[in-house]
Amino acid sequence: DQQVKQNSPSLSVQEGRISILNCDYTNSMFDYFLWYKKYPAEGPTFLISISSIKDKNEDGRFTVFLNKSAKHLSLHIVPSQPGDSAVYFCAASGLGGANSKLTFGKGITLSVRP
Amino acid sequence: DAGVIQSPRHEVTEMGQEVTLRCKPISGHNSLFWYRQTMMRGLELLIYFNNNVPIDDSGMPEDRFSAKMPNASFSTLKIQPSEPRDSAVYFCASTPRPMPPEAFFGQGTRLTVV
Repeated sequence: DQQVKQNSPSLSVQEGRISILNCDYTNSMFDYFLWYKKYPAEGPTFLISISSIKDKNEDGRFTVFLNKSAKHLSLHIVPSQPGDSAVYFCAASGLGGANSKLTFGKGITLSVRP
Repeated sequence: DAGVIQSPRHEVTEMGQEVTLRCKPISGHNSLFWYRQTMMRGLELLIYFNNNVPIDDSGMPEDRFSAKMPNASFSTLKIQPSEPRDSAVYFCASTPRPMPPEAFFGQGTRLTVV
């Protein structure tokens, strides 16, 4: 049973436009949410995170929104650039101890067209 | 720091052989994770160590899989005997503390069992 779901396997956007990547989760014990970016033949790299006490966190072109009641989060990239083309993983974690392990979604492949 | 170092980068082995994957976490990090990435299941957690002690090994698929962390700077994941369905990319990740859980990933080991 997948606790973190990224239902769209791929997304294609034009350079300069907004990319919106969605993620849903089922475990109400999750308290911390992260986005990772992965290029081919490399390991995932941390991009941005949000604690459940917030509903928005922004870092440059990247903003993550959290809707706890809907168990939904999204990553907005504005403006999108060709270098953003990668696989994006949503991940979730509980608070401390054994709960601090990261549970990942299956990822979404973003393609930004020049 | 060189980051999380995994070896080998690629491993091709015959079914039935023993395979050992190695990981050197970032110095000072006290949590270490082993993940496996496949097309079908995405990134799934195999085992999680904190201060060299296994905290959660519920993701280890079978008794053929074992992991050790003899000291803070080294961990191994062993598969014995290996099977073709074990073919995947195996990632090691480390974090400096349980919270926030932004894990740093190695470049992965691509395992092919023929």
